[in-house]
Amino acid sequence: KAGVTQTPRYLIKTRGQQVTLSCSPISGHRSVSWYQQTPGQGLQFLFEYFSETQRNKGNFPGRFSGRQFSNSRSEMNVSTLELGDSALYLCASSLLAGFQETQYFGPGTRLLVL
Amino acid sequence: KQEVTQIPAALSVPEGENLVLNCSFTDSAIYNLQWFRQDPGKGLTSLLLIQSSQREQTSGRLNASLDKSSGRSTLYIAASQPGDSATYLCALPLGNTPLVFGKGTRLSVIA
Repeated sequence: KAGVTQTPRYLIKTRGQQVTLSCSPISGHRSVSWYQQTPGQGLQFLFEYFSETQRNKGNFPGRFSGRQFSNSRSEMNVSTLELGDSALYLCASSLLAGFQETQYFGPGTRLLVL
Repeated sequence: KQEVTQIPAALSVPEGENLVLNCSFTDSAIYNLQWFRQDPGKGLTSLLLIQSSQREQTSGRLNASLDKSSGRSTLYIAASQPGDSATYLCALPLGNTPLVFGKGTRLSVIA
């Protein structure tokens, strides 16, 4: 069974631009969560989607948004990029929503904002 | 607020040594705890998931224990190998957050 895939793997953007990242969960998984990883803050939760609905959202500004499609694939968008948005963005999928399930992570998208 | 702490932040050991990585959390009312491995610049690989009703889980040379009352989990790695070199993270759910992570322990196993 294929794992979680994320595209693109690397991105370079400039301040003020916007970016869209994509995540395809493991086949059959309906829950997708997004995390931001930086050297200073570590891994921080962005949002969680289940069956096309956002279930939970972390403490990030409104510039960060996401959505989930009917095939469970998810996208996250960051508008008006700032230098501090440079990070590794990871998505994770699980069979069901919530916290009883093992979370399986993708390889991440590394975003560099210049 | 649930806080997750991992000590030490970095650890270097010779090949073949048995070692223990520590994870502590402040709120003992947890559902489960998960250990991950992260290689440099890569995503996370799930190693073990311990449910709150369990005391330990084993997978190959890895053994994870959970003591809710003391707010601690340990990851035991037997007979360490250079291929075990990575950052090890523990994480657990908090409220509506699927996973709250510790900062990790960076392990180097020297051949």
